Amino acid sequence: DQQVKQNSPSLSVQEGRISILNCDYTNSMFDYFLWYKKYPAEGPTFLISISSIKDKNEDGRFTVFLNKSAKHLSLHIVPSQPGDSAVYFCAASAVKGGSEKLVFGKGTKLTVNP
Amino acid sequence: GAVVSQHPSWVICKSGTSVKIECRSLDFQATTMFWYRQFPKQSLMLMATSNEGSKATYEQGVEKDKFLINHASLTLSTLTVTSAHPEDSSFYICSATDRQGANYGYTFGSGTRLTVV
Repeated sequence: DQQVKQNSPSLSVQEGRISILNCDYTNSMFDYFLWYKKYPAEGPTFLISISSIKDKNEDGRFTVFLNKSAKHLSLHIVPSQPGDSAVYFCAASAVKGGSEKLVFGKGTKLTVNP
Repeated sequence: GAVVSQHPSWVICKSGTSVKIECRSLDFQATTMFWYRQFPKQSLMLMATSNEGSKATYEQGVEKDKFLINHASLTLSTLTVTSAHPEDSSFYICSATDRQGANYGYTFGSGTRLTVV
């Protein structure tokens, strides 16, 4: 049973436009969510996170939105740049529940075209 | 920021041999480290949680006798793939927690590409 789902395996966006990456989760115990960027044969690089007590967190071009009732979060990148092209993973953990384990989605490959 | 060093970055070994992968937290003490593996175009799958000074906790389906984890100090955890077989070929990634910052301390190593021939 996949607890964190990224239903879009790929996304293509024009440079300068907004990229929206989506993520759904099923475990209501998750209270901390993170987005990672990953290149092939490299470890994930942290982008942005959000606690379940918030519905939005912004850091520069990256904004994460959390809709707890829908168990849905999204990552907005604006404006998108060619250097943003990578695979983006959504991850979740149940920190308050005492679990530091991260559960990852399958990733979405973002391509930003010049 | 927190840095996790993973070594080697790639290794090729013969079937039946053992391979050790090291994960070090360079500028912080990591009481907990995690080991993941990733197959091509798949998600990162947690293999085990390693706590300093105690036995690792393995995820369901992960053979603890095959994937030996040692976390002898607050800055070093090792994963040994014993009697490796071609199906063990994968990308292995470690992560460590330092519980600081917006990241809640999930810092990842650069990964190890293991190829068993």
